[in-house]
Amino acid sequence: NAGVTQTPKFQVLKTGQSMTLQCAQDMNHEYMSWYRQDPGMGLRLIHYSVGAGITDQGEVPNGYNVSRSTTEDFPLRLLSAAPSQTSVYFCASSKKTSGRAYEQYFGPGTRLTVT
Amino acid sequence: QQPVQSPQAVILREGEDAVINCSSSKALYSVHWYRQKHGEAPVFLMILLKGGEQKGHEKISASFNEKKQQSSLYLTASQLSYSGTYFCGTEDHRGSTLGRLYFGRGTQLTVWP
Repeated sequence: NAGVTQTPKFQVLKTGQSMTLQCAQDMNHEYMSWYRQDPGMGLRLIHYSVGAGITDQGEVPNGYNVSRSTTEDFPLRLLSAAPSQTSVYFCASSKKTSGRAYEQYFGPGTRLTVT
Repeated sequence: QQPVQSPQAVILREGEDAVINCSSSKALYSVHWYRQKHGEAPVFLMILLKGGEQKGHEKISASFNEKKQQSSLYLTASQLSYSGTYFCGTEDHRGSTLGRLYFGRGTQLTVWP
């Protein structure tokens, strides 16, 4: 049982490049989310999904796209990287909400630098 | 909608106690607490639900005042392993966004021998 996995662990991009951060979980969790963590800012929600085919925006969605074609995978796409997107990105999953949120399991993170 | 945590940082000696506070301007359905060690992912500690149910960590306790939209995390007889950054995540009760958490900016706790 690998839990939540993220690839790559580190990435350097040039401004304007695009890329996809991968996230997968093997716990059959229906709820998945992407956060970015910047120094002193805590964890800010980018996008989340309550099940395959259903996604919604979080607090800071601009510049990012997501899709959820399977329960296991929830990739995050950067359309045209900007230096402001330099951050640590965490993917998380939890059981489906049926009236309340459950504990979230976080992946190890992807450290992204945009030059 | 981001909850406010206080203090921003705490320095303790082993064996001392600490309290970390989390407050929101919104009516809350639940409060979650996570701990993150440097360079690692956040790890779940505890959930406090509206109505009083509490699930979580055996050596760390918390309270949830629904009327004041506040929660406090109590760390007693701190150990070196308690060091890290503590985050509260709040869930407000707004139908379609159930399950969505807003995290505070974190409280950095350092425990010295």
